[in-house]
Amino acid sequence: DTGVSQNPRHKITKRGQNVTFRCDPISEHNRLYWYRQTLGQGPEFLTYFQNEAQLEKSRLLSDRFSAERPKGSFSTLEIQRTEQGDSAMYLCASSATRDRGRKNEKLFFGSGTQLSVL
Amino acid sequence: AQTVTQSQPEMSVQEAETVTLSCTYDTSESDYYLFWYKQPPSRQMILVIRQEAYKQQNATENRFSVNFQKAAKSFSLKISDSQLGDAAMYFCAYRDEFNKFYFGSGTKLNVKP
Repeated sequence: DTGVSQNPRHKITKRGQNVTFRCDPISEHNRLYWYRQTLGQGPEFLTYFQNEAQLEKSRLLSDRFSAERPKGSFSTLEIQRTEQGDSAMYLCASSATRDRGRKNEKLFFGSGTQLSVL
Repeated sequence: AQTVTQSQPEMSVQEAETVTLSCTYDTSESDYYLFWYKQPPSRQMILVIRQEAYKQQNATENRFSVNFQKAAKSFSLKISDSQLGDAAMYFCAYRDEFNKFYFGSGTKLNVKP
């Protein structure tokens, strides 16, 4: 078990460019979440997948944001036409939902991708 | 939507002393989970402790324990025998029935040698 892996760790881009981040969850985890965290704040929910299905998207996620999880394994988060307000830490987390009767899910986080939009 | 409030932006504690971090939340659900996560400067979120709302007994993990007051919707974290390595941001989190997590704004804990 190598934990949740995110790449790249840091991304600096110019306003208007497109960026893509990747998340590799813990191998047996069927749920994958994306969160965004700005300095001095807690993580804010963006979207999550159960296997390959994207079950929910936050209103924070504008049309410029798209996430995929092909084959229910790794996930990508793409931001098109980046804006300075997109600068944040993008955190990926995964969990295994095994017991439907009890919500005993633990969330395991990656180290995040720090995006800076100049 | 659920809200999680951490009213202490920053706290300080002397090494080996005890400190309590506060958290309140708002929900209409009866069955849920609450968590405390630690985020050191590396920004990696690390699970510290979790509490199941249907359990009255407060959760403990070594030097970390919680005071869960369901009626008051309060979930504080007590760190005993504080160590320098405990210095970090601490986030309180609530998980709803759809398995979405909601985080508070965090408390920065400083540990003085």
